[in-house]
Amino acid sequence: QVQLEQSGAEVKKPGASVKVSCKASGYTFTGYSINWVRQAPGQGLEWMGRISGYNGNTDYAQKLQGRVTMTTDTYSSTAYMELRSLRSDDTAVYYCAVVIAVAGAVFDYWGQGTLVTVSS
Amino acid sequence: QSALTQPASVSGSPGQSITISCTGTTSDVGAYNYVSWYQQHPGKAPKLMIYDVSNRPSGVSNRFSGSKSGNTASLTISGLQAEDEADYYCSSYTSSNTVVFGGGTKLTVL
Repeated sequence: QVQLEQSGAEVKKPGASVKVSCKASGYTFTGYSINWVRQAPGQGLEWMGRISGYNGNTDYAQKLQGRVTMTTDTYSSTAYMELRSLRSDDTAVYYCAVVIAVAGAVFDYWGQGTLVTVSS
Repeated sequence: QSALTQPASVSGSPGQSITISCTGTTSDVGAYNYVSWYQQHPGKAPKLMIYDVSNRPSGVSNRFSGSKSGNTASLTISGLQAEDEADYYCSSYTSSNTVVFGGGTKLTVL
């Protein structure tokens, strides 16, 4: 079955960087893009960007351009999201997600979420 | 890119139908048939309920339906059930090749 397993919670100081991993299994990693979405406490969803599992092409939310980098390791079927120059308002649960189409049926899968806390 | 506009809250009684609107612009909702809807229960990851305006992923109840007119998309839930109580978010592909979410709507089943 399809699973997205994310790395554990992180506590960072302002100005630091964080790198969250998302290990995929149960589907062809190179066939689909992974999206990253975050949710600050008590707030709505925010799309951060996406990365192609096929060629590593990325698209980032304008708001995060210059601070975020998404990468993949196709050998381990793992996607990474690095956010730099962390601020307190980057405190959020970070999710990776993939939408898969199989024989005309569509399924979506999400990681369990990674809480990143930015605090001095 | 500004967030899509959703009502903060809607409510309905069991068995009734409700509709949640999602208003964007000619650069997102109005330009593409790539509107999605997500359901999120407290403490859980979001779940895709509708994609490409009106298509349901496998396993999603046919009580959920989506539509679009101009710059506004809508999610309708018919035959409301207690388990439908959750937050709902719309999203759209944009002309900048990015995705934008709505602010979210809290659905209360009375």
